[in-house]
Order: sequence, then structure tokens, then C-alpha cells
Amino acid sequence: AQSVTQPDIHITVSEGASLELRCNYSYGATPYLFWYVQSPGQGLQLLLKYFSGDTLVQGIKGFEAEFKRSQSSFNLRKPSVHWSDAAEYFCAVVTTSGTYKYIFGTGTRLKVLA
Amino acid sequence: DSGVTQTPKHLITATGQRVTLRCSPRSGDLSVYWYQQSLDQGLQFLIQYYNGEERAKGNILERFSAQQFPDLHSELNLSSLELGDSALYFCASSASGVTDTQYFGPGTRLTVL
Repeated sequence: AQSVTQPDIHITVSEGASLELRCNYSYGATPYLFWYVQSPGQGLQLLLKYFSGDTLVQGIKGFEAEFKRSQSSFNLRKPSVHWSDAAEYFCAVVTTSGTYKYIFGTGTRLKVLA
Repeated sequence: DSGVTQTPKHLITATGQRVTLRCSPRSGDLSVYWYQQSLDQGLQFLIQYYNGEERAKGNILERFSAQQFPDLHSELNLSSLELGDSALYFCASSASGVTDTQYFGPGTRLTVL
């Protein structure tokens, strides 16, 4: 069955440090891939998405993600974290064969230390 | 502000009852999506409508139903409510299909007592 795994439930980084959030998926083909951010008490906001082409994708707020087919991964990165990046991050996959299925990971909660 | 509105913000009801959640998409968006977020199940896709027609279906229970009206607003009906239905219900909208950016509303928090 298709699935999305975010292995890190919580991550703590210092402000200014680099960040990488991991996402692995299980699906026979290349799905559509997304990263969302959810601030406390708010809805989700799309950071970036990948469908095809260049495997390094740039998003909003200085985030980027790299699709690696061989590892079935779509990790999110940011070179220098700001205190305002503290939030929960969700990786999501949309399967593309037959009826679309939207599958979300369990989320990674990011804490930023001043 | 995403431009997607959801009402009500909070809803408290009892087991066995029925409720209706309402969503107004961004101006011009034809697709509406419903999601459920709970501590137990995480974030789950329920259903998508495109211009009034059901486009994709996720883990939506038979006790739940949705529709999209000609003015493109959508309603999610939850019936025979159980304690486990307590969750945050999000609506999102997009211009058209799955490759378009989804804009999420602030959510409706449902508490079933």
C-alpha cells in the first residue's frame, strides 16, 4: 500500500543552523510530492511541490527540496533557520495512477532555539 | 489569509447527532477538498469536488457525505457522530486539479461529547 514516512516526529535546531526534514514514500511510480507547513492554530500552507523535471525544487520562505527516485525520498532543506520557522511540517504524496489518492505523513514538529 | 472561509470555527455536539460544516473556496477556484486532522489518525484526505462533481475520494466514512453547490461552496455532512469524530476539519480549494496549489481554510474544530 502507498505510504509516506516522516521518521522524525520532533526536531530542534538553533536559529541560523541548517535544517533537513526527511520524507520517504512507498509507491510504485513517481507520485506528485508536496511539503506543507502548519503553524499553531492555522491551516496548512504549501511550501513547494514536485511533479517532474528538475529534481531540486525551490519553494517559499527559503525552503528547497530534492527528489531522489533511487531513495524514494523528498527531503526538505533550509540553509539557515529563523525563529518564525517553528511549526509542523507535513510531506504529502498524490498517487497518479487511477483515482488520485492524497496521503500525508505524520508530520515533523520543528522547534527553533534562540 | 488564504481566501478560503470555513464556518463555524468551533462546534460542540453530542454522540449520535448530525452536523454540517461549510466551506467557501477562493474566488475563481473550482476544486474543493476536505481533510480531517486528529491526534489518532493524523491528516487524512476525505474527498474532492471539482465544479460540482466528485473527483477523488479518500478515507471518508459512509456516515459522512459532502457536496459542492452551483455557487461552488461546499458542505461536509457528518452524521451519527461518535467520540472518535472529534477532530479539526479543513477545507482547501484550488484552481482546478491536483497539480494546482491548494489553499487551506482555518478549519472547523468539532468536539463530540
